[in-house]
Amino acid sequence: AQSVTQLDSQVPVFEEAPVELRCNYSSSVSVYLFWYVQYPNQGLQLLLKYLSGSTLVESINGFEAEFNKSQTSFHLRKPSVHISDTAEYFCAVTEGSNYQLIWGAGTKLIIKP
Amino acid sequence: NAGVMQNPRHLVRRRGQEARLRCSPMKGHSHVYWYRQLPEEGLKFMVYLQKENIIDESGMPKERFSAEFPKEGPSILRIQQVVRGDSAAYFCASSQRGEQYFGPGTRLTVT
Repeated sequence: AQSVTQLDSQVPVFEEAPVELRCNYSSSVSVYLFWYVQYPNQGLQLLLKYLSGSTLVESINGFEAEFNKSQTSFHLRKPSVHISDTAEYFCAVTEGSNYQLIWGAGTKLIIKP
Repeated sequence: NAGVMQNPRHLVRRRGQEARLRCSPMKGHSHVYWYRQLPEEGLKFMVYLQKENIIDESGMPKERFSAEFPKEGPSILRIQQVVRGDSAAYFCASSQRGEQYFGPGTRLTVT
C-alpha cells in the first residue's frame, strides 16, 4: 500500500540558516510528488511538484525539492530561511494518473529569530 | 479567476446538530475532493465527486456523513448528529486535470 512519511513533526531553525524537510514514500509504480504549505490559519497552497523530467524542482520563493527514485525520497530544502517561511509543510504523493493524494503528517517549520 | 471557496470558515455546532459545509470549485473545474484534518494530523481523503456523481467515497465514515455535488451550485458535505470527534478542519479541493487547488477550509467545532 502507498504511504508517505515525514519523519520530523517539527523542525526549529534559526533565521537565515538552511533547512531540509524530509519526505519518503512507498510505492512500486511511477509517482507524482507534491509539497504543499499551510500558513497559520490558512488553507493549503501548492509549493512545488514533480511530475516528470528534471528531478530537481524549484518554487518561486527559494524552496527546492529533489526526486530521488532509488531512495524513494522527495526532500524539501531552502538554503536560507526567513521568518515568513513559518508554516506547516505537507508532502503528498499520487500514483500515475490516480486522483487520490496520499498525505504525510506534516512538518512544522519553526523559525527562531 | 476566483480560487476554491468554502463557507462558512468557522462553524460551531452542539452535539446532535447537523453541519453543512459548502465548497465552490474553481471556474471550469468539475472534480471536487473533500479532506479532513484532525488536530496534529495530516489530511485524510474523504470523498471524490464529479458533477452529480460520487466517484470514490472510501474515506467517508459509514454513518452520518454524506456529500453531493449537484449540477448547479456548490458541493455540500453534510454531517448529521455531530459528535465531539467530528471537530476538525475540513478542506475542499478542486481540479480539472491533475493538480488539486485547495480552499481555505471550514473549521468545525462541536461543543
